[in-house]
Amino acid sequence: DSGVTQTPKHLITATGQRVTLRCSPRSGDLSVYWYQQSLDQGLQFLIQYYNGEERAKGNILERFSAQQFPDLHSELNLSSLELGDSALYFCASSPIGGNAEKLFFGSGTQLSVL
Amino acid sequence: GQQLNQSPQSMFIQEGEDVSMNCTSSSIFNTWLWYKQDPGEGPVLLIALYKAGELTSNGRLTAQFGITRKDSFLNISASIPSDVGIYFCAGQPTGGFKTIFGAGTRLFVKA
Repeated sequence: DSGVTQTPKHLITATGQRVTLRCSPRSGDLSVYWYQQSLDQGLQFLIQYYNGEERAKGNILERFSAQQFPDLHSELNLSSLELGDSALYFCASSPIGGNAEKLFFGSGTQLSVL
Repeated sequence: GQQLNQSPQSMFIQEGEDVSMNCTSSSIFNTWLWYKQDPGEGPVLLIALYKAGELTSNGRLTAQFGITRKDSFLNISASIPSDVGIYFCAGQPTGGFKTIFGAGTRLFVKA
């Protein structure tokens, strides 16, 4: 158990809908990262937050947004969903803000868009 | 953007064989990390490397930070069936905050 909690584990929805994925980092970790893993693909970095502020942005679509709350949990919002958004979405946390170093991953949310 | 080239994409080996995989980048990296992902789970950190030339072991796993700082290697000795999974290299480039992942090496071990 990495200590990073993601909910829900599975999500099935339809095209055009909006969903929210939730992540609770390890106790004490200030940084939260979101990654997308499509079938047979590597991990695509989406976005990073550190202590509530956006720190780095990757290949995140404009239809996607995220935030980190004062209690350090984070949410990833995906809207106007398309079939191609079906993927495993991972949240990771690390204790260090500037240097990513060791990331600890949650078990992921499997999103299926039908 | 910056990318990591990880090879091979997949490996089919016999139990007991040694395995070697590597990652290269066009940029200099400050940190190299190796992760393993089991089916249905998130990646788990295996080894972290922080200095050029560093060689670090974790049980049957050994990883090295290349002296050019643009590559890293992971070796697994005497493979066993539970080594099956996807192995990712990851690194943080100089001056950046993002951790970049390779596409992964899928390892299949036949008993």
